Amino acid sequence: QKEVEQDPGPLSVPEGAIVSLNCTYSNSAFQYFMWYRQYSRKGPELLMYTYSSGNKEDGRFTAQVDKSSKYISLFIRDSQPSDSATYLCAMRYGNNRLAFGKGNQVVVIP
Amino acid sequence: DGGITQSPKYLFRKEGQNVTLSCEQNLNHDAMYWYRQDPGQGLRLIYYSQIVNDFQKGDIAEGYSVSREKKESFPLTVTSAQKNPTAFYLCASTSPGIRSPSGNTIYFGEGSWLTVV
Repeated sequence: QKEVEQDPGPLSVPEGAIVSLNCTYSNSAFQYFMWYRQYSRKGPELLMYTYSSGNKEDGRFTAQVDKSSKYISLFIRDSQPSDSATYLCAMRYGNNRLAFGKGNQVVVIP
Repeated sequence: DGGITQSPKYLFRKEGQNVTLSCEQNLNHDAMYWYRQDPGQGLRLIYYSQIVNDFQKGDIAEGYSVSREKKESFPLTVTSAQKNPTAFYLCASTSPGIRSPSGNTIYFGEGSWLTVV
């Protein structure tokens, strides 16, 4: 079983819809959870960072962590064509141990 | 501004050549990483370094080499032994420093595209 599972998609939604992305993980030692957005031929850029279970909101983006279920989610409200990108989940625990999902391609159709 | 600089952005390599990708960070991060990204495969770890003068192999280290002589620099050499080097290479860094604004998050460079011709 991979440490982090993420459905690669692609996911197509109409403009204005809510985009829902998620990752599951198997290692309960993961402490820090991140979501990255990656445009084609660019490096990933950090969108959201969370540490504890619960929700964290930043503008149109909400990150959700459920440590008991080993499940994290990213929601994008009022999606825009500029949100079309690949979204990566990432996790970390002590000793700088990192794990990434494969990435989920999102297409927002105008 | 703090960040990670990768160069070159695009690089072409002839068969049998070694090439070196540069990665420099001014975030004062201790740990640095090199990943390879291929379509549909996600990020695969090549090498990582937790501290100067020390580094460890990742999942796909064969055909690659690194050095960490300075905290801010972590160059990756793609040797002729790497059978399929055409890919997008990403350098990343992080630090567990609690007091640092950037602590605990992973920062990426803009990537380097390597093509074998």
